[in-house]
Amino acid sequence: AQSVTQLDSQVPVFEEAPVELRCNYSSSVSVYLFWYVQYPNQGLQLLLKYLSGSTLVKGINGFEAEFNKSQTSFHLRKPSVHISDTAEYFCALSSGAGSYQLTFGKGTKLSVIP
Amino acid sequence: DAGITQSPRHKVTETGTPVTLRCHQTENHRYMYWYRQDPGHGLRLIHYSYGVKDTDKGEVSDGYSVSRSKTEDFLLTLESATSSQTSVYFCAISVGADYGYTFGSGTRLTVV
Repeated sequence: AQSVTQLDSQVPVFEEAPVELRCNYSSSVSVYLFWYVQYPNQGLQLLLKYLSGSTLVKGINGFEAEFNKSQTSFHLRKPSVHISDTAEYFCALSSGAGSYQLTFGKGTKLSVIP
Repeated sequence: DAGITQSPRHKVTETGTPVTLRCHQTENHRYMYWYRQDPGHGLRLIHYSYGVKDTDKGEVSDGYSVSRSKTEDFLLTLESATSSQTSVYFCAISVGADYGYTFGSGTRLTVV
């Protein structure tokens, strides 16, 4: 069985400050990892994904994430947040090539304070 | 999202009535999914499809049925709506999990 744990349900941060949203996973096989963003009253959009190769993955809107196999983590970071980054962020994993299903974490609500 | 549409976007219905939500894609993707999103629970998989007439249950399938008679359409039916099914429902499509999902804009369903 595989699972995703997002350690913080809510993260408030001041505008232009850095932010890290934490994601840990559990799986007995190799995984692909994803971060999605959901703006209010919208569907989820893919921010970035890790399939293989470099452990530092860059995504849209200045976000990046680092895959750490030994820590089973895939934390999302941004060096300087904007008001427009206020949204809910979901970490997800699939059990590698041939898999067709994602397992999602429960989400982290990022609130950027002016 | 481009290539995937959900209808209706909003619906209010009475307890005990059947309700059908539609997901339509123009991407010819093999896999289609229905999720519900509730505060504190994140996204929970209701049903998914891996081809025409090929469907399977997710973790919260009780009270829901699905059908996929064409590649492009995936229907979710609440057989007899209950207040506990008030939620936001999302459809997603995929060519394979390594590519991730593309999500629709959601249907907000209220059962009164």
